[in-house]
Amino acid sequence: QQPVQSPQAVILREGEDAVINCSSSKALYSVHWYRQKHGEAPVFLMILLKGGEQKGHDKISASFNEKKQQSSLYLTASQLSYSGTYFCGTEIYIGRNTDKLIFGTGTRLQVFP
Amino acid sequence: NAGVTQTPKFQVLKTGQSMTLQCAQDMNHNSMYWYRQDPGMGLRLIYYSASEGTTDKGEVPNGYNVSRLNKREFSLRLESAAPSQTSVYFCASTDRGPIGAQYFGPGTRLLVL
Repeated sequence: QQPVQSPQAVILREGEDAVINCSSSKALYSVHWYRQKHGEAPVFLMILLKGGEQKGHDKISASFNEKKQQSSLYLTASQLSYSGTYFCGTEIYIGRNTDKLIFGTGTRLQVFP
Repeated sequence: NAGVTQTPKFQVLKTGQSMTLQCAQDMNHNSMYWYRQDPGMGLRLIYYSASEGTTDKGEVPNGYNVSRLNKREFSLRLESAAPSQTSVYFCASTDRGPIGAQYFGPGTRLLVL
């Protein structure tokens, strides 16, 4: 049930763009995105619910394609502060809330000057 | 507000020893979670509590027990520690189940020898 994230790692120069994908084999109710810096706790970025709504957070946005059971995180004009590991967390849709997330294995993003 | 706090920050155990990891939140959240994080595995849900008085198993519950002591506190107990339980443990809480941001504590680094 663990969602699959791709790519596993991304290296960027400041100002470049990146896309991180999260795919599930199950129908999804919601997708969360978190960023974790080395040695720290994960920090919430955004949530996307059933309905395909696209959310934004500064220059980071995301989309949710329910039919494909996929979500993508878009980082535009990357900054040094974007470096870290990005996790998607998915709630599988079973007709009611399950109150729990299943996280992907993460995508490590490094931004260099 | 302290947010989510965890104690201890770091612990070394010998195989077979027991210990309890403590977690408390001061945000009046209903739902609380325990995750473990291992290199390359992402965050895996051990147990969660959707509301005071309820607890449910997550993906990897074997070898652990939990107690939702009250609305603020959610503890994780290792009855007989094993080297496979060496990991970083994160506690998290949210006020809206799967559609709310999860707030993570700073983590407990556990080494079992």
